Amino acid sequence: GAGVSQSPSNKVTEKGKDVELRCDPISGHTALYWYRQSLGQGLEFLIYFQGNSAPDKSGLPSDRFSAERTGGSVSTLTIQRTQQEDSAVYLCASSLFGQGGNEQFFGPGTRLTVL
Amino acid sequence: QQQVKQSPQSLIVQKGGISIINCAYENTAFDYFPWYQQFPGKGPALLIAIRPDVSEKKEGRFTISFNKSAKQFSLHIMDSQPGDSATYFCAASYSGGGNKLTFGTGTQLKVEL
Repeated sequence: GAGVSQSPSNKVTEKGKDVELRCDPISGHTALYWYRQSLGQGLEFLIYFQGNSAPDKSGLPSDRFSAERTGGSVSTLTIQRTQQEDSAVYLCASSLFGQGGNEQFFGPGTRLTVL
Repeated sequence: QQQVKQSPQSLIVQKGGISIINCAYENTAFDYFPWYQQFPGKGPALLIAIRPDVSEKKEGRFTISFNKSAKQFSLHIMDSQPGDSATYFCAASYSGGGNKLTFGTGTQLKVEL
């Protein structure tokens, strides 16, 4: 079946612009996670959605970052007023939380470059 | 605070040899310990995972050894192949924390012919 998909695969933007990154999780997966992978910080958790519960935003690095998940499926990560330190690969993962394990399936990521 | 420490940062192994990557954790609430494999330009893919109620898990050429008292776990790749050349990440999570993963810093493995 189809895995986690993310778009765009690459995004180049100018400092100060807003960007939106999209994630389509595996159908039926109730949990959705965003992570960021950068040279300096490695792989770090950003935000987590589970069903209709309030999201866990504890990993968001600043209030310029926000995310939403519509209809329990597609998620969008928005970065406002981008800074050069936001350059990284943004990874989305989904899982069948509470059903048989915690395996998270990752998408290919969106590579964001802020000039 | 780095909750999962991984070593070595890079590793070169001859084809057919054993690759060993080590991780140590601090948070005793962690109850799930996966290893991910990542190729350039791809997202991480789950390789093998273990829970703290067992000390070892084997799947094909991949084995996780887990030492709860020492708060350490390791990945062993037997009969390493050039196709195993990738970056490997250990991770940990706990069900009470939404299963969000805390990753190690990664090990770049190169298997030479």
